[in-house]
Amino acid sequence: QITLKESGPPLVKPTQTLTLTCTFSGFSLSTSGVNVGWIRQPPGKALEWLALIYWDDDKRYSPSLKSRLTITKDTSKNQVVLTLTNMDPVDTATYYCARGEYWGQGILVTVSS
Amino acid sequence: DVVMTQSPLSLSVTLGQPASISCRSSQSLVHSDGNTHLNWFHQRPGQSPRRLIYKVSNRDSGVPDRFSGSGSGIDFTLKITRVEAEDAGVYYCMQASHWPLTFGGGTKVEIK
Repeated sequence: QITLKESGPPLVKPTQTLTLTCTFSGFSLSTSGVNVGWIRQPPGKALEWLALIYWDDDKRYSPSLKSRLTITKDTSKNQVVLTLTNMDPVDTATYYCARGEYWGQGILVTVSS
Repeated sequence: DVVMTQSPLSLSVTLGQPASISCRSSQSLVHSDGNTHLNWFHQRPGQSPRRLIYKVSNRDSGVPDRFSGSGSGIDFTLKITRVEAEDAGVYYCMQASHWPLTFGGGTKVEIK
């Protein structure tokens, strides 16, 4: 059974760095072909891909956010970590991690002073 | 970026009647691997998106067969043969052929 779960702070201040962790089970990120990604959804708005990391440590970032994003993996812990620097109120959103058809429950992150 | 345009923006469908949602991409979604990576998702309020269809027409496990996907190139369609109350929510198409991956703006489906 494949599951993913996001964790991190529900509230961050403007200019701070957001660090989110995706902890998964039921698969290994060291298996060829596997990838895990992060997607976000501002309240009432559409979905937006942020970043993707592959089993071979290849990484892809949204061009519009590339300078602020970092995605890493810890295969031994079955975790993928996303950092987003210089947070702004427009970054308020529910952040999801996903692998194909499997999605986490999401975590709402609010940016406010 | 590949722009995904969905229509209509919203849809009100009578229980038991068919529904259809269109999705058009700004460029061909045929990948260098020969596949067309066009997916459909359904999201109910307060829930995570659920993938229904992958690679244009393949239903994910547990997805009722009243859902079907079709299309090629730049034009794609999601059809529901007979809508049920649980089908209410927002439907998104998503392309995974080109980075960055992109979603359509969503189609809100209301069941009458």
